[in-house]
Amino acid sequence: AQSVTQLDSQVPVFEEAPVELRCNYSSSVSVYLFWYVQYPNQGLQLLLKYLSGSTLVESINGFEAEFNKSQTSFHLRKPSVHISDTAEYFCAVSQGHKFYFGSGTKLNVKP
Amino acid sequence: DAGITQSPRHKVTETGTPVTLRCHQTENHRYMYWYRQDPGHGLRLIHYSYGVKDTDKGEVSDGYSVSRSKTEDFLLTLESATSSQTSVYFCASRTWDNEQFFGPGTRLTVL
Repeated sequence: AQSVTQLDSQVPVFEEAPVELRCNYSSSVSVYLFWYVQYPNQGLQLLLKYLSGSTLVESINGFEAEFNKSQTSFHLRKPSVHISDTAEYFCAVSQGHKFYFGSGTKLNVKP
Repeated sequence: DAGITQSPRHKVTETGTPVTLRCHQTENHRYMYWYRQDPGHGLRLIHYSYGVKDTDKGEVSDGYSVSRSKTEDFLLTLESATSSQTSVYFCASRTWDNEQFFGPGTRLTVL
């Protein structure tokens, strides 16, 4: 079975600073990759996804992630964060019909 | 966004009682999923369905059963609830290109 690792459980960062949330997974065989965001007391919302093609994918609100097959990583980056980015972020991998999630990273943006 | 609802949104029950959680989607998605979310574990797949009456186990299926008699409804049943099943449960449906849409969650407390 696939395993997904998010090493940082919490990431504090000041507003307008860059941030990187790390994600590693165990197998690159036939996988699709995703980042989801969860705000308090809500369900998960898709932030961005990699299915095929360009290894760099972007979201509409300035986040980007790069699929690195050799390092089995899919790190999430944003060059300048806002207070409104404070949330929990989950990396996920689908393999076959199943989805595997990391344990989440809480991003806390400070003024 | 896909219309996914869950009911009930909150439930408190006692150990040993049966509990059924309902997920309803209006997008005619073939695939549906049940997850549980616990601190430090992210989301873990309980069961999923790939069509009416077609279901399969996820990574934490012990103590849970599911049924899908209609495309739009996916039920999760705890036959005899235990305190270890206290959690937040999320349902999701999936589009043809692997995008999952999540419901708002059900917070279940087993006393």
